[in-house]
Amino acid sequence: EVQLVESGGLVAQPGGSLRLSCAASGFSFIDYTMYWVRQAPGKGLEWVSVITWDGKSTYYGESVKGRFTVSRDNNKDSLYLQMESLRTEDTGMYYCAKEGVAVAGLFDSWGQGILVTVSS
Amino acid sequence: AIQMTQSPSSLSASLGDRVTITCRASQDIKNDLGWYQQTPGRAPKLLIYSASSLHGGVPSTFSGSGSGTDFTLTIDSLQPEDFATYYCLQTSKYPWTFGQGTKVEIK
Repeated sequence: EVQLVESGGLVAQPGGSLRLSCAASGFSFIDYTMYWVRQAPGKGLEWVSVITWDGKSTYYGESVKGRFTVSRDNNKDSLYLQMESLRTEDTGMYYCAKEGVAVAGLFDSWGQGILVTVSS
Repeated sequence: AIQMTQSPSSLSASLGDRVTITCRASQDIKNDLGWYQQTPGRAPKLLIYSASSLHGGVPSTFSGSGSGTDFTLTIDSLQPEDFATYYCLQTSKYPWTFGQGTKVEIK
């Protein structure tokens, strides 16, 4: 069974940094593109980032580009999101997600999410 | 970035009703579109990929259509478990972008 478990720093001040981790199990992590998606409290979904299986290609949403960095360690079956220059509008639930099989690259498995709060 | 305009933002419907949600892309995305369902406090679930292909395990009461810039999610005969928020997601170009969401509520 696919399992994705997010962890990491939960609270930061504006301008600060946090690092999220996502531990993967139940599948061959190295074979899959991975994603981060977030959701501000009471708001809609926002696509944050993607990293290919080998870590060589990464892309970011416009609101986080230049501030967030996605990475992965295939030896540890882990995905990371380094968040810098945090803003209050970065507050929300952060989900890691796995590329699905034969679903045109869409993600079909998600973690339970981790709540990040940016506040002074 | 490609903008996805989803409508309506919310709707009220009764059990057994047919519901239609639309998503419009700001440029041609061919059929690179998915639909997700989210219930409160839960991670989203994939319903439709490639605009019209039903993901495994999703009831056949759900269907998707469209290509280019205009897309539709239809739910035939609303069931209690279908009251949720629905999002479209374009996967044509990075950054991928979601629609704003449509909340389906009980009338």
